[in-house]
Amino acid sequence: TQLLEQSPQFLSIQEGENLTVYCNSSSVFSSLQWYRQEPGEGPVLLVTVVTGGEVKKLKRLTFQFGDARKDSSLHITAAQPGDTGLYLCAGGLGDYKLSFGAGTTVTVRA
Amino acid sequence: DAGVTQSPTHLIKTRGQQVTLRCSPKSGHDTVSWYQQALGQGPQFIFQYYEEEERQRGNFPDRFSGHQFPNYSSELNVNALLLGDSALYLCASSFGTGTTEAFFGQGTRLTVV
Repeated sequence: TQLLEQSPQFLSIQEGENLTVYCNSSSVFSSLQWYRQEPGEGPVLLVTVVTGGEVKKLKRLTFQFGDARKDSSLHITAAQPGDTGLYLCAGGLGDYKLSFGAGTTVTVRA
Repeated sequence: DAGVTQSPTHLIKTRGQQVTLRCSPKSGHDTVSWYQQALGQGPQFIFQYYEEEERQRGNFPDRFSGHQFPNYSSELNVNALLLGDSALYLCASSFGTGTTEAFFGQGTRLTVV
């Protein structure tokens, strides 16, 4: 059983459309990260959020940490083919490891 | 500034054999964590090394062991390989606490036949 549940599992959209990926848990996290991973490569860190209610923007990507620090969302505006990849959320519970969700595979069609 | 580097990138081993994977952390980082990522799943925590000691371990059998050297580089050893050990093995480096701002290498793809 995954500590972090991501939805949807797969997402296929047309270039220019918007998308949102969700990451939910019943646990409270001290921090939460979002990563993007391409096939055969390691995850690349996109953002870290640590404060409940925090919103961070990275160009066309907007990340939000829930007020209770149990959930997060990633919103992409005007998606481009270069946004294609596996999006992973990962949380820290105050110990030393990161607990990952199973990921959302995003495909942006040109 | 080199990021996290892992070697080898790909490896094929036979059931029952032993394997050693290597990781050099990002410059300035002192903590190394290892993760196993099976196909279609998120990475699973194996263990973390800090100051040459295993600081925390995930739910993996004793066949999985590791080491951290004085220069902070690390090795992951897996004995008595099983077919189910086939996966992408990821090394992540960080500074200090190890749970935030973790940077990953490109991984080692291990195939057990």
